[in-house]
Amino acid sequence: EPEVTQTPSHQVTQMGQEVILRCVPISNHLYFYWYRQILGQKVEFLVSFYNNEISEKSEIFDDQFSVERPDGSNFTLKIRSTKLEDSAMYFCASSVEGYEQYFGPGTRLTVT
Amino acid sequence: ELKVEQNPLFLSMQEGKNYTIYCNYSTTSDRLYWYRQDPGKSLESLFVLLSNGAVKQEGRLMASLDTKARLSTLHITAAVHDLSATYFCAAVEAGNTGKLIFGQGTTLQVKP
Repeated sequence: EPEVTQTPSHQVTQMGQEVILRCVPISNHLYFYWYRQILGQKVEFLVSFYNNEISEKSEIFDDQFSVERPDGSNFTLKIRSTKLEDSAMYFCASSVEGYEQYFGPGTRLTVT
Repeated sequence: ELKVEQNPLFLSMQEGKNYTIYCNYSTTSDRLYWYRQDPGKSLESLFVLLSNGAVKQEGRLMASLDTKARLSTLHITAAVHDLSATYFCAAVEAGNTGKLIFGQGTTLQVKP
């Protein structure tokens, strides 16, 4: 069964460093999303991406964040200068037509 | 702005008992989702509810949607220990392409 994959599973970085989180969505899906979940809290929407552009972003998704689909298969989330409060689990999701979203296993980002 | 609230946030129950988790949302929504999350794991899709009066069942879980009351319920029948997890509901604002707004989650603990 096709699934969304994410790498790395755990990333530790120092405050101020750039990180790139990678996702490979399900191959025939057209809509892509990033969410985050701070430990013990609810899941929060970051950004949605369709047709090679951002379709919607939340207040969390400020100038420090960017997304890219560099090669038609990967979907990346970049944080330019990480802060302590960026520590969270980041989930990628994809869907065929914005209907049912399939979530990847997540990347745990720890900023020290 | 769409807000989603669940209650209770924590539920401890004995095996064999029935219980209901409630999910209220604040504005018109196109669809309502239920997800399960085990500790440290990703989100597993349980149900997608699209229309008023929709009812879906899988094993000991049954979800329903009342769009007029802006309420969805997840009913657990004869709970077993394997159902212990955190359950999230999520709604999509009417006309939106798929940005999920999550509730706070309900942590279910089923005791033998």
